[in-house]
Amino acid sequence: DTAVSQTPKYLVTQMGNDKSIKCEQNLGHDTMYWYKQDSKKFLKIMFSYNNKELIINETVPNRFSPKSPDKAHLNLHINSLELGDSAVYFCASSQDSSSGGALQYFGPGTRLTVL
Amino acid sequence: GQSLEQPSEVTAVEGAIVQINCTYQTSGFYGLSWYQQHDGGAPTFLSYNALDGLEETGRFSSFLSRSDSYGYLLLQELQMKDSASYFCAVQPGGSYIPTFGRGTSLIVHP
Repeated sequence: DTAVSQTPKYLVTQMGNDKSIKCEQNLGHDTMYWYKQDSKKFLKIMFSYNNKELIINETVPNRFSPKSPDKAHLNLHINSLELGDSAVYFCASSQDSSSGGALQYFGPGTRLTVL
Repeated sequence: GQSLEQPSEVTAVEGAIVQINCTYQTSGFYGLSWYQQHDGGAPTFLSYNALDGLEETGRFSSFLSRSDSYGYLLLQELQMKDSASYFCAVQPGGSYIPTFGRGTSLIVHP
């Protein structure tokens, strides 16, 4: 059983398009996250979301928006894609607690290429 | 904000022991965790330290000194499959959300 799954695994698209990446976790966790990993492997958190609050990294452009239909899903929608958005996007989940937050389960990643 | 420093690359030979250091600056502190990521793969959790001392999990151990804002990951009996990137991540006080370091690329030679 896959704990955290993402689709699609690869996404190639043109500049200016709008795209979505889906994420689902079956661990019963309270909190889900989106990370961006650039070509230098820097893991930057974009969003943290649970049923109580959405925490947004203030450096994330508002073209990026998380959408959570329920506790097990957190999708990432990106408007007006730019070349600099090319990266690997990871979804993750954890329990909503201090020590629990340290143990994050990551999805397999979505490699986004913007042409 | 938080900042973490770890070496960008470490090389070692199979069977050896290697230590990857991580120093951090943060307002408040909950804990320090370590993740492993193979090329093309996802980060996977290795260990977590909230208190000073050594935590051992098989060939991997992690150490924390809160007074020195310092931790390390110790890998023993290195194997080729240990070649990967290793990230330390710190949880600042008041938040369960970790901030990741830039990662250390470990290259294990035969």
